[in-house]
Amino acid sequence: KAGVTQTPRYLIKTRGQQVTLSCSPISGHRSVSWYQQTPGQGLQFLFEYFSETQRNKGNFPGRFSGRQFSNSRSEMNVSTLELGDSALYLCASSRVTENTEAFFGQGTRLTVV
Amino acid sequence: GENVEQHPSTLSVQEGDSAVIKCTYSDSASNYFPWYKQELGKGPQLIIDIRSNVGEKKDQRIAVTLNKTAKHFSLHITETQPEDSAVYFCAAARGGYQKVTFGTGTKLQVIP
Repeated sequence: KAGVTQTPRYLIKTRGQQVTLSCSPISGHRSVSWYQQTPGQGLQFLFEYFSETQRNKGNFPGRFSGRQFSNSRSEMNVSTLELGDSALYLCASSRVTENTEAFFGQGTRLTVV
Repeated sequence: GENVEQHPSTLSVQEGDSAVIKCTYSDSASNYFPWYKQELGKGPQLIIDIRSNVGEKKDQRIAVTLNKTAKHFSLHITETQPEDSAVYFCAAARGGYQKVTFGTGTKLQVIP
């Protein structure tokens, strides 16, 4: 059974640019969550999607957005990149029942220069 | 919102000794408490979880305890091995959604 796949693994962007990250969940998983991980702030929840609908959102500015497709694959977009957006972006997928186990991908390392 | 505190931030133990990591949470409605292990260059991996209707759960060398009254839960690793060296995160969540709040992490070093 394939795990959660995130692409690309590494990305370098310039301030002011925008970036799109992709996440393919485990087959059969319909919920996809996104997290930002930095040394200073730890793991912070960005948003969660189920059936192409955003159900939860963390405390991030509107520059951070996402979407989910009918095949459960998800993308997140960050516009007008800032240096502080440099982080490891993690995606997790799960089946949708009460408090089910979430499986993480290896993440996308974004560096903003 | 939920707030999860985790201690200690770093922990060094001799191989074969036990390691204990403690977490407290603030939202009394939280009812799912997973623990994740993150190795360098990898995403977090679930190692054990506990739900609010259970006080303790064991899986080989790993155990987790939950005290709902005090709102704290702990991870216990016995007979530690060098491959246990990693960063461990506790987390808390409630409801059927995946908005999990993570602790700040504990870097565990097992010295051979």
